[in-house]
Amino acid sequence: EGQLVESGGDVVLPGGSLRLSCAASGFTFNDYGMHWVRQAPGKGLEWLSVISWDGDTTYYADSVKGRFTTSRDDSKTSLYLQMKSLRPEDTALYYCAKIKQKVTLGDAFDIWGQGTMVTVSS
Amino acid sequence: QSALTQPPSVSGSPGQSVTISCTGTSSDVGGYNRVAWYQQTPGTAPKLMIYEVTNRASGVPDRFSGSKSGNTASLTISGLQAEDEAEYYCTSYISSGTYVFGTGTKVTVL
Repeated sequence: EGQLVESGGDVVLPGGSLRLSCAASGFTFNDYGMHWVRQAPGKGLEWLSVISWDGDTTYYADSVKGRFTTSRDDSKTSLYLQMKSLRPEDTALYYCAKIKQKVTLGDAFDIWGQGTMVTVSS
Repeated sequence: QSALTQPPSVSGSPGQSVTISCTGTSSDVGGYNRVAWYQQTPGTAPKLMIYEVTNRASGVPDRFSGSKSGNTASLTISGLQAEDEAEYYCTSYISSGTYVFGTGTKVTVL
């Protein structure tokens, strides 16, 4: 079935940086694209980023483009989100999610982690 | 990348049917058969319910169904049950690998 476990969330000052990790298990990690999605407290889901199965392609939402970078390490079956120039509006629970089909970017997210909380506050 | 529009809330009594709409544009919902629906209960991660507009995810009861007409997708819950009370989100693939979520709909079982 597969499992995703996020980590790295913390309290950070505005303008600061943070790196989130997402450890994958139970599926062939390098066959699947992966996403980051966030949810501000009491708010809806916001798509942030996708990375292809081979790591060659990434796309970002306008709200994080130029500030966030998604990468993956297939040897560690891990996904990362490097965040810089953080703003109070980046405060949210950050989820990683797996794309349902192999070697595609255009499919649903079938496995989600439990999320890791990022708080940007002075 | 404006969020897809969903009604804030819908409600129904046990056994009734409810339908949640998800309205976008020809650049997202209307342009691709890559609409999915997720169920989220408080304190938990979203769960995939419907993918590619009409396909139920593994283990999802057949009282959940999806459809699309033009720029609007819909999720119907037939035979509403107490455990269906949750927040529901649609999402659509957009060109160039990006996605957009809906605003979310709270389903209340009366």
